[in-house]
This record gives sequence, structure tokens and C-alpha cells, in this order.
Amino acid sequence: SAVISQKPSRDICQRGTSLTIQCQVDSQVTMMFWYRQQPGQSLTLIATANQGSEATYESGFVIDKFPISRPNLTFSTLTVSNMSPEDSSIYLCSVVTGGNQPQHFGDGTRLSIL
Amino acid sequence: TQLLEQSPQFLSIQEGENLTVYCNSSSVFSSLQWYRQEPGEGPVLLVTVVTGGEVKKLKRLTFQFGDARKDSSLHITAAQPGDTGLYLCAGDSQGAQKLVFGQGTRLTINP
Repeated sequence: SAVISQKPSRDICQRGTSLTIQCQVDSQVTMMFWYRQQPGQSLTLIATANQGSEATYESGFVIDKFPISRPNLTFSTLTVSNMSPEDSSIYLCSVVTGGNQPQHFGDGTRLSIL
Repeated sequence: TQLLEQSPQFLSIQEGENLTVYCNSSSVFSSLQWYRQEPGEGPVLLVTVVTGGEVKKLKRLTFQFGDARKDSSLHITAAQPGDTGLYLCAGDSQGAQKLVFGQGTRLTINP
């Protein structure tokens, strides 16, 4: 399966700042997604990253807070904007390599906001 | 909103015991995945089930998809400490590969 690299793996940030998380895949993929996993909880889908167009956001998530880019078939970024302590979570990207293949996940970015 | 109810949320048992984790919904899913997540890592895919009534085995793990494709179970035989982790079920209802996750089962196997 595809090798998925997320950067940074962890960060501690000040409230009010923004952080951009990168997701790089070693092969072209058809779909890329971004999830949030709050402490001790399960995963919640933030958005589908669409290549060359605006991401599709799930209910409760907006572009101003979580801008997403996907310039090509192997790379995407998620920005967490104007961070507050409530944004402290693990942010994960996942990919689908094609057809009806299942999603595979990166190792996540562990974000703490002070 | 589609929901996947996963139970139990926490389970701590002794090595060698058997256990079953359940994942239930009122919605029909076109496919259902089971993942295991360990601390500091992302979820790792264990299995995908797509056909109602399907049973898949992965060594000591047995996965079943309900006949109506609304529920699934994971059974572990003779659990080992290496089975410790967070087990997540995730369903794809729309065929768009957008997953809805259960709350997870945090499993601890004590030596």
C-alpha cells in the first residue's frame, strides 16, 4: 500500500497562531481526506481534499478555520487557523489508492495549543 | 446523521481469554472496515467486509458483517498482549468512501 508521510509529527503552538500540516504520498492516489481525533476519542472527518478545487467540508467544519489545499495527486495540506486550546487534537490524513480500495492513514500530527 | 455504536468502549482481560467487539447501526453500509490504532500511530487497516453475512478470518481474529449490512463484530480468540490497542470500526454508507467511525474499543490484554 501507499506510504503516507505527515509533517510535522507533533507541535506545540500558541493560541491565535496557525499551523499548516503536510501529507505526502509516495504514489498517486484518487482521494485524500483529513480527520480530527480529539483526546481519547474516535475519528471525525473534517473534509475531502479535492485535487485542483475547493475541499468538501463536513458539517461543523468550515474553510476559514481549516483551509485545505491539494495541488496534485500526491500532496495535500491542512491549516488549522487561529488556534485555541479546543483545537488540541491529532490530525490525520488518509488516502484511497483507487477504485473501491479502503482508506489508509498516515501517523497523524499531534497538536497541542497553549 | 449516521451513527456507529461500538461496544464495549473499554475492555481489559487476561491473556488467553476470548472477546467480542460489536459495531451496530440503524443504517446500511456498502462496506465496513476494522482498524487497529496504537499510541503514536495512525489507524492500520485490519479488514474490509462488503457482503452481508460475510465472515473473514485473520489469524486469531474473526470478522463478521451482518446479513443486513448494518452491524459487524470482531472476535479475538486466545487474546495476547500484542492485541492491545484501540479497535475502530468504520462504515462507508454512500459508496463515496467517506467513513463514519465508531467510538472505538480500547482493549488491554494483561499477561
